[in-house]
Amino acid sequence: GNSVTQMEGPVTLSEEAFLTINCTYTATGYPSLFWYVQYPGEGLQLLLKATKADDKGSNKGFEATYRKETTSFHLEKGSVQVSDSAVYFCALSITGGFKTIFGAGTRLFVKA
Amino acid sequence: EAGVVQSPRYKIIEKKQPVAFWCNPISGHNTLYWYLQNLGQGPELLIRYENEEAVDDSQLPKDRFSAERLKGVDSTLKIQPAELGDSAVYLCASSLAGGAGELFFGEGSRLTVL
Repeated sequence: GNSVTQMEGPVTLSEEAFLTINCTYTATGYPSLFWYVQYPGEGLQLLLKATKADDKGSNKGFEATYRKETTSFHLEKGSVQVSDSAVYFCALSITGGFKTIFGAGTRLFVKA
Repeated sequence: EAGVVQSPRYKIIEKKQPVAFWCNPISGHNTLYWYLQNLGQGPELLIRYENEEAVDDSQLPKDRFSAERLKGVDSTLKIQPAELGDSAVYLCASSLAGGAGELFFGEGSRLTVL
C-alpha cells in the first residue's frame, strides 16, 4: 500500500540553525510529493511540492528533492527563524489518483 | 479570494449527542474532502466529493457518520450519535477538479466529546 513515514518530533532548534526533517514513502505508481505546514491556530497549507523524480520543490527558503532511488523527500532549510515554528506534514498523491496520504507530522520549535 | 470556511471552530458535546460540521469550499473548486485529524497524527481521508457525488467514502464509518454536498458547493458532515473516540479535528479541504494537485484546507472544527 501507499504510506508516508516522517521523523518524530518535536524538533527544537535555535534561530539560524540548519533544519532537516526526514520523510520516506512507499507507493505504487508514480507519486507526487508534498510538504504541508500548519502554523499555530491555522489550517494546513502547501509549502512545496515535486511531481517527478529529481525535481526540487522550494518555497520560503525551504527545499526538498524527490529521490526515487531512496524513496525520500527530506525537507531542509539553511537558517530557521522563530516564525518557522509549526507542524510539518509530508504527503504523497498518486498521479492520476485522488487521495493524498499524509505522514504523522513533525512539530518544529525554533528558539530565539 | 476567500479560503475554505468551516464552522464551528470548536464544539463540545456529551456522548450520544449529534453534531454537525459545515464547510464552504473555495469558489470554483469542484472537489471537496473531509479529513479526520487525531491528536499527533496526520489527516486521514473520510470522504471525497466530485461536485455533488461522493466518489470515495470507503473510510467513512457509515453507522454513525453521514455527509452531504447538496448543489455541489458547501457540505455538511454529521455524527449521530457521537462517541468519546470521535474527539478530533475535522478538516475540510477543496481542490480543482480532483487529481494530484494542491489541497486547500480550512482551519478545522475541533470536536470534544465528554
